[in-house]
Amino acid sequence: LAKTTQPISMDSYEGQEVNITCSHNNIATNDYITWYQQFPSQGPRFIIQGYKTKVTNEVASLFIPADRKSSTLSLPRVSLSDTAVYYCLPPSGGSARQLTFGSGTQLTVLP
Amino acid sequence: DAGVIQSPRHEVTEMGQEVTLRCKPISGHDYLFWYRQTMMRGLELLIYFNNNVPIDDSGMPEDRFSAKMPNASFSTLKIQPSEPRDSAVYFCASTTGGRYTEAFFGQGTRLTVV
Repeated sequence: LAKTTQPISMDSYEGQEVNITCSHNNIATNDYITWYQQFPSQGPRFIIQGYKTKVTNEVASLFIPADRKSSTLSLPRVSLSDTAVYYCLPPSGGSARQLTFGSGTQLTVLP
Repeated sequence: DAGVIQSPRHEVTEMGQEVTLRCKPISGHDYLFWYRQTMMRGLELLIYFNNNVPIDDSGMPEDRFSAKMPNASFSTLKIQPSEPRDSAVYFCASTTGGRYTEAFFGQGTRLTVV
């Protein structure tokens, strides 16, 4: 099972770009990297997913280097409402399908 | 679709009582997951089903916990007897087959055992 490591917490100010990096040294060849966001009192919500290079959607960008041992979630111009916990997930290797969440990164956006 | 629906949203019960949490996945989703979230332990995967069949229940904490999925549109997580340390938010999630699709979570059930 690929293990992820990400910072426990980060602080930022409104309007800044925030980059959260996740390391997944033993990611399997066919694993994708997925990021979820969780607001207080809500279930996690899918943000973005990618395999390599760069993926962008209306919420965030995901940068994955060639070795795929890490990934960086980029949130442009954060606002107070982006305060949440952000989880990085590679799926488990093999045929079993699991969604296993680590500790995540608590992002606090300050005014 | 209304999304994943969990009931009840809040449950307060006395120690020793049986508690049943319910989940209705999104129609057409063939994977269903149960999670428990606490401040101390974070978001823990308890069990997941594929096509109504339990695939991995290694996260179920002990025999007091049981989960069933009698059909594609309904699942239950039961705790019998409940204990104060079971107090947590329990989430249900569903997703389609294939490994690289997003999972959708319900709003959760906040369980308090007194």
